[in-house]
Amino acid sequence: GESVGLHLPTLSVQEGDNSIINCAYSNSASDYFIWYKQESGKGPQFIIDIRSNMDKRQGQRVTVLLNKTVKHLSLQIAATQPGDSAVYFCAENLGSGYSTLTFGKGTMLLVSP
Amino acid sequence: DVKVTQSSRYLVKRTGEKVFLECVQDMDHENMFWYRQDPGLGLRLIYFSYDVKMKEKGDIPEGYSVSREKKERFSLILESASTNQTSMYLCASRSQGRGTGELFFGEGSRLTVL
Repeated sequence: GESVGLHLPTLSVQEGDNSIINCAYSNSASDYFIWYKQESGKGPQFIIDIRSNMDKRQGQRVTVLLNKTVKHLSLQIAATQPGDSAVYFCAENLGSGYSTLTFGKGTMLLVSP
Repeated sequence: DVKVTQSSRYLVKRTGEKVFLECVQDMDHENMFWYRQDPGLGLRLIYFSYDVKMKEKGDIPEGYSVSREKKERFSLILESASTNQTSMYLCASRSQGRGTGELFFGEGSRLTVL
């Protein structure tokens, strides 16, 4: 399988539990943030995004929380399923003049049945 | 369904060979990107392009070049492959130029340089 998960922080949960994945971002000027999911052997897939003028955004089974005071982002996954097992990355956009995203190193989520 | 297609999923090349990695997107996006992904280092930006024939260096451009002759196609070139360029290469595209909107990724090209 894909070796992207080596050396990553790992979160192990049981099926049905809620998962919280954390991310510290680097730049206080960042104004847009995205969470991506990457399954083994695949490219990253968009999960949810949030702009800096918000502190919470909800999707289907996922919630992103943004704390600009401490430059912290979290992804909450409700009722985690085995199919949620993957590497999760946060990404920040450094301001409206930039078109690139800077990615965190990722967290591996392992869900046991 | 939107799509970013990378032409090769797996390549094995020898040191010193010239390598082309091709990427095509069907979303009419202005911005295209090449990242490499390595264990423990995450995704690092090599080059990006915000328009045809335009290119900008990312964080790790050394040893790479790019070509954007058409809007839908962005190629990554390794003029003389070296073993430290063994990696997973990810192409992505994005529509807005003002810093919001998701990146759409391809499935990746795993390059091994012997």
